[in-house]
Amino acid sequence: KQEVTQIPAALSVPEGENLVLNCSFTDSAIYNLQWFRQDPGKGLTSLLLIQSSQREQTSGRLNASLDKSSGRSTLYIAASQPGDSATYLCAVRPDSNSGYALNFGKGTSLLVTP
Amino acid sequence: DADVTQTPRNRITKTGKRIMLECSQTKGHDRMYWYRQDPGLGLQLIYYSFDVKDINKGEISDGYSVSRQAQAKFSLSLESAIPNQTALYFCATSEAGGTEAFFGQGTRLTVV
Repeated sequence: KQEVTQIPAALSVPEGENLVLNCSFTDSAIYNLQWFRQDPGKGLTSLLLIQSSQREQTSGRLNASLDKSSGRSTLYIAASQPGDSATYLCAVRPDSNSGYALNFGKGTSLLVTP
Repeated sequence: DADVTQTPRNRITKTGKRIMLECSQTKGHDRMYWYRQDPGLGLQLIYYSFDVKDINKGEISDGYSVSRQAQAKFSLSLESAIPNQTALYFCATSEAGGTEAFFGQGTRLTVV
């Protein structure tokens, strides 16, 4: 079974800092990898989707990279803001089985202080 | 309007009661999923459906059942609710071939 691990579990940074969230997965046979944001008690908002053939994706201040062979992805947030405070989830879609359902990490809880 | 809509958003029910959570989508996607989220455990797959006639169990399907009434509607039922089914439940959709997944806002279910 695909195992997805996110490090750190929690992170607190002052406003303006650049930061990196890490995601690792045990089986490199993936279809794609998706980063989500979740606000407390709320739904999941898709941030970035990286197909298995891609190395990175960018959206505004966010950049996600994928190294499929080593089973790693990073989410880089530039010039962090208090509004970035949320839980960030990494999810991997396996190459086969389970209807392409996502395997999730437990998330990184981010707090950006003013 | 949201692309993936879940109802109700919050529900408190008693042990032993039957309850249904509903999901509808306007994205035209074939694939629909139900996940459960518990604090510290991440999201776990309950059931998934490729189309109206194709429904499959996920990793934690015991105690749950589903119905795909139409391409756009996928319901999750708890036949006899128990307290350890208290959780946040999410419905999701994706196109065939497993592209980007889209999630609903979630249903917070409390079983007392």
